[in-house]
Amino acid sequence: DTGVSQNPRHKITKRGQNVTFRCDPISEHNRLYWYRQTLGQGPEFLTYFQNEAQLEKSRLLSDRFSAERPKGSFSTLEIQRTEQGDSAMYLCASSSRRPFQNTGELFFGEGSRLTVL
Amino acid sequence: QQPVQSPQAVILREGEDAVINCSSSKALYSVHWYRQKHGEAPVFLMILLKGGEQKGHEKISASFNEKKQQSSLYLTASQLSYSGTYFCGTEGPGRAGGTSYGKLTFGQGTILTVHP
Repeated sequence: DTGVSQNPRHKITKRGQNVTFRCDPISEHNRLYWYRQTLGQGPEFLTYFQNEAQLEKSRLLSDRFSAERPKGSFSTLEIQRTEQGDSAMYLCASSSRRPFQNTGELFFGEGSRLTVL
Repeated sequence: QQPVQSPQAVILREGEDAVINCSSSKALYSVHWYRQKHGEAPVFLMILLKGGEQKGHEKISASFNEKKQQSSLYLTASQLSYSGTYFCGTEGPGRAGGTSYGKLTFGQGTILTVHP
C-alpha cells in the first residue's frame, strides 16, 4: 500500500498524559500536513512541513502540541498534558506541487482518533 | 475565516442531480473539493484555480467564480456511491503574492444521501 498511513488508529488516554501520533506520507511527496477534525466539522489546519522544515503553525496549535519531521520522511505529532478538548480525529495528509501550479491535492491518511477521558 | 457551504444536507434519489455551494469572504487562489464517507479519510475530487475554470470528473463537475469568491460542485445523475459528506477547502493567496502552499480552510461540510 503506497498511501498515507497513520498510527495508532485509536488512542484512549487519561487527562494529563502525553500522546504521540505517527504519519508516514506517500514517499515522493515533499509536503506533509496535520489537520484536526471533530465530529460534524471539516478538517482544521494545524501545521505543515516542506521536507523537514516546519513552515507554518496554526494558532490552534498550543505550546502543548509539537510536530516534527526528521529527515523529511515520517512525521510525529505529540500532545503533552492532554485535555478533554483535545479529543478529535488527527488527520495527516501529504502532497506534491502540481507542475506549473502553486498547489496540489491532499492525500489523507485514515486518521488517529484520540479520546481523552 | 471558514467558507460557508450550502445546503447543509441533501437527500436524493438515484439519478437525481444536486448542487453544493461554497462561499468565502476572502480572496481565493484555489478551491478544493473532497468527499468523506463515514469513518474514512477525505478523498480528493478536484481543484479549481482562479480563472473561472470548470473542471469535470465523470458526472461530477465544478465551477469557480473568482470575483464572487464562490465555487459550486455539480453532481449529475447521482449514484449510491456519491453518498458522503462533501467539503470545500479554500486556499488563499499567501505572503508576497504566493499561496499558502496547501494550507486549506475547510467548510463545515454538506451531507449528501442518495437513496435507491
